[in-house]
Amino acid sequence: GDSVTQMEGPVTLSEEAFLTINCTYTATGYPSLFWYVQYPGEGLQLLLKATKADDKGSNKGFEATYRKETTSFHLEKGSVQVSDSAVYFCALSITQGGSEKLVFGKGTKLTVNP
Amino acid sequence: GAVVSQHPSRVICKSGTSVKIECRSLDFQATTMFWYRQFPKQSLMLMATSNEGSKATYEQGVEKDKFLINHASLTLSTLTVTSAHPEDSSFYICSARVYWGNTIYFGEGSWLTVV
Repeated sequence: GDSVTQMEGPVTLSEEAFLTINCTYTATGYPSLFWYVQYPGEGLQLLLKATKADDKGSNKGFEATYRKETTSFHLEKGSVQVSDSAVYFCALSITQGGSEKLVFGKGTKLTVNP
Repeated sequence: GAVVSQHPSRVICKSGTSVKIECRSLDFQATTMFWYRQFPKQSLMLMATSNEGSKATYEQGVEKDKFLINHASLTLSTLTVTSAHPEDSSFYICSARVYWGNTIYFGEGSWLTVV
């Protein structure tokens, strides 16, 4: 079935370091792909998304490119900040039974130290 | 931005009792709400999809008589865990799709501990 695999954490970086969180997916058809972020004590928030192959989603300095050939949607940021410390979830959307659903990865906890 | 609020954020209940978790969309109407469950270090697993005014659609393997979902209005959905057992202890998250579009907003989640 449809699934998302993302790199296991936790990931600990120093401020201004480069970040990559890997995400690969398995899906029938052509899903949309998402990265959600959950800051401590808050709900999940949509960080960025891409709806078709080769699309690049970007927001707050984060980027991810929808790679159909490698079924990947890796999250990157060139220079992380302490405020980026959060749990990041990769997800895909599928339409099943007439309704759209999200399938999530396990989440990757990122801690950025000053 | 749009806010989805869950209550309570943490609850402890005794085995055999029932507990209700509320999910409210505070500043928008939501025709569809989703309930997820997350075990430690695991993915969010969709439990059910609820549409306002109709019965919830449960995912395979989710006991609908144990996890009662009610979506009585465009701003409120409730999840009731009936006859709770320790294995029901988990993190439950709701999300809501805005009435006029496709954007989904998530609640902060609710920790349930059954002792």
